[in-house]
Amino acid sequence: GQQVMQIPQYQHVQEGEDFTTYCNSSTTLSNIQWYKQRPGGHPVFLIQLVKSGEVKKQKRLTFQFGEAKKNSSLHITATQTTDVGTYFCAADFNKFYFGSGTKLNVKP
Amino acid sequence: GAGVSQTPSNKVTEKGKYVELRCDPISGHTALYWYRQSLGQGPEFLIYFQGTGAADDSGLPNDRFFAVRPEGSVSTLKIQRTERGDSAVYLCASSFGGRNEQFFGPGTRLTVL
Repeated sequence: GQQVMQIPQYQHVQEGEDFTTYCNSSTTLSNIQWYKQRPGGHPVFLIQLVKSGEVKKQKRLTFQFGEAKKNSSLHITATQTTDVGTYFCAADFNKFYFGSGTKLNVKP
Repeated sequence: GAGVSQTPSNKVTEKGKYVELRCDPISGHTALYWYRQSLGQGPEFLIYFQGTGAADDSGLPNDRFFAVRPEGSVSTLKIQRTERGDSAVYLCASSFGGRNEQFFGPGTRLTVL
């Protein structure tokens, strides 16, 4: 079936370090969404990418969609303790398949 | 405005019992999704409604699971003859249209003893 692979599974960083999570699909995606889930919370929408090669920025967060629309990444510059949580990609295969997530821990 | 709400927030039941989980989407959202999330995993797609009809129910694991959305607003996920493996957090999300930003509810934590 359709699958999205997300790596790494965990990332522990010192506050101020950068963080990147990657999402890969074996098939071309129509679009991809990114969500953040805080511990004990529910997923919260961050961004949707639609176009090949698209790059979007939200303050310290940079989202990219690959040229072949098979992969995507989320990069956080200079992490803060408020960035703690699990980041999921959700690939649109006419229904949304979520990756297994990257759990980010930030040490102050 | 009000977000997506789900009731109950927690449900503990015994193996073999029937449960109903309710989702109140954001007013005006035509699309509604049910997901199931186990610890340490991403949300797993169960079913997607567009209006009153189930546009895609391919994620329902077996015929013990059923969902309805009779008036195109509130949805109920029904699980018959619950099994311990059904224990998870059941998430509901709604969106304006089928492939847009999804707004998630707080979830119902189902525990089957």
